[in-house]
Parts: sequence; C-alpha cells; structure tokens
Amino acid sequence: AQSVSQHNHHVILSEAASLELGCNYSYGGTVNLFWYVQYPGQHLQLLLKYFSGDPLVKGIKGFEAEFIKSKFSFNLRKPSVQWSDTAEYFCAVFSPGGFQKLVFGTGTRLLVSP
Amino acid sequence: DADVTQTPRNRITKTGKRIMLECSQTKGHDRMYWYRQDPGLGLRLIYYSFDVKDINKGEISDGYSVSRQAQAKFSLSLESAIPNQTALYFCATSDSNRLADTQYFGPGTRLTVL
Repeated sequence: AQSVSQHNHHVILSEAASLELGCNYSYGGTVNLFWYVQYPGQHLQLLLKYFSGDPLVKGIKGFEAEFIKSKFSFNLRKPSVQWSDTAEYFCAVFSPGGFQKLVFGTGTRLLVSP
Repeated sequence: DADVTQTPRNRITKTGKRIMLECSQTKGHDRMYWYRQDPGLGLRLIYYSFDVKDINKGEISDGYSVSRQAQAKFSLSLESAIPNQTALYFCATSDSNRLADTQYFGPGTRLTVL
C-alpha cells in the first residue's frame, strides 16, 4: 500500500536557522505532492504543491520543496525560519492514475524559538 | 465567509451517545472527505465521497457512518461514541476537474468522548 514517511517528528530551531523537513513516499507511479501546514489552533492550509514541470517548487512564506523522483522524496526547505513558522507540517501524496486519495504523512512539529 | 464550515466546533459527549458532525462547503466541489487527526498519527481518512451517489470507506471507517445530503453537505455520524473516538475531525473538499487533488480543509471539530 502507498505510504508517506516523515522521519522528523519534532524539530526545534532558533530563529534564522535553516530548515529541511524530510518526506518520502512509496508509490512508483505518477504522483502529485503536497505540503500542508497547520498553525496552532488552526486548520490545514496548503503550503505548496507539485504536479508537473520544474521539480523545485516555491510556496508561500518563503518555503520551497524539491521533488527528487529517483529518491521518492519531496523535502521541504526554508533558508531562514521565523518564530511564526511554529506549526505542524504534513506531507501528502496523491496519485491521479492510481489510488485517487490523498495519503498523509504523520506530520512534523516545528518549534521555532525567538 | 469560510469556504468549508464545520459544526459544531467543539463537542463533549458520553460513551454510547449518537452524535453527528456536519460539514458544508460553498466551493462547488464535488468531492468531500472526513479525516480524523490524532497526535503522532497525522490525518487518517474515515470516509470520502466523489459525488452525491458515491460514498466510500477510508482506512478507519469502523464505528462511523456518513451521509451526503447534497453536493455541498457531508455529515459524519458516530452511532455509539466510544472514548477512543476522541480526536480532531476535519472535513475537506476537492475538485475532480483539476489535475491535482488539492484539498481544502474546514476548521475542524474537536470531539471528546467521556
């Protein structure tokens, strides 16, 4: 069955540090990839998505992610985090020709200390 | 106005009670979903509906039922609530006419079963 792995469950950074959150998936077909963010007390919001073209995708608030097909990865990055980036981040995979459902990873809690 | 709304936002109930969580959307999307979120487990799909006459079980449908009353409304019922159904419940929608299944989430319902 398809699955999404987020290996970092909790990450603590200081402001201005660089961020990279890992995401790997286990499906060999065509995929669409997403990162969602959930700020404290709020619902999930789309941060960025990839479905074709340039494998380096830029999203809101300075986030970007790179799709590396050979590694089945879609890691999220930000060069310099801010306190307001404290949130939980979810990677998700959708297969338009396959399982037709969005499969989520277990999430990574990011705490940015001022 | 929010595109995806959920009622109630918070609910405390007792074991054995039947409760209903409601979801409405004004996005005109045909697909709707119910997820539950538990700490460390991410989002897990309970039920999904691709249109009014198409309802499907997700990965954790036991103990739940749904009703798609109209394209814009999708309700989740717990026939006899139990404490391990205490969780945060999210409704989401998506548009099947788009290539990538970007899902739009409601604000969530925090359910506590005593």
